[in-house]
Amino acid sequence: EAGVTQSPTHLIKTRGQQATLRCSPISGHTSVYWYQQALGLGLQFLLWYDEGEERNRGNFPPRFSGRQFPNYSSELNVNALELEDSALYLCASSPTDSPGHTEAFFGQGTRLTVV
Amino acid sequence: QKEVEQDPGPLSVPEGAIVSLNCTYSNSAFQYFMWYRQYSRKGPELLMYTYSSGNKEDGRFTAQVDKSSKYISLFIRDSQPSDSATYLCAMGGFMDSSYKLIFGSGTRLLVRP
Repeated sequence: EAGVTQSPTHLIKTRGQQATLRCSPISGHTSVYWYQQALGLGLQFLLWYDEGEERNRGNFPPRFSGRQFPNYSSELNVNALELEDSALYLCASSPTDSPGHTEAFFGQGTRLTVV
Repeated sequence: QKEVEQDPGPLSVPEGAIVSLNCTYSNSAFQYFMWYRQYSRKGPELLMYTYSSGNKEDGRFTAQVDKSSKYISLFIRDSQPSDSATYLCAMGGFMDSSYKLIFGSGTRLLVRP
């Protein structure tokens, strides 16, 4: 069974540009989570989508946005890129009824570098 | 004060040692406690999770939760070089009408052959 897949693996953008990151969850999983992992800061929660709806949002500015498609895959968009947006962006998926998101499985991440 | 505190390490131990990894937290609303392992340039991998207090064992790994002290631990017995990775604790609970899942910043573990 395929795990969570993210694309692209690496992305280099210049300041002010927009970045689009993609995530395909494990088959049968309806919840998708996005996290930012900056160096030395651990995982910071960005967004949670379930059944196509945004369920929760972390403490990030509105230029971080996303959506979930009918097939449960998801996109994360980052507008007006800033240098400090450089990080590993991780996507995780879980079944809707996963208690406390305890059955979340992570993808390999997209390494975004803003220059 | 961060909601979840975790010593970044690195923690270096000889092969076969018992490893103790710990996290402290400040919010008593956390009910779910998880440990993830992350190898370099990979996504985190769920090792174990515990609901509320108590211990849970899985092979060489034991997770402990002490809610009264707001302290969680992961013990690794008979540590192997392949256990060398960053270990992240995570805690979840309902607060402010929504569910929050907070990760620690991770502890780097190096097991020397």
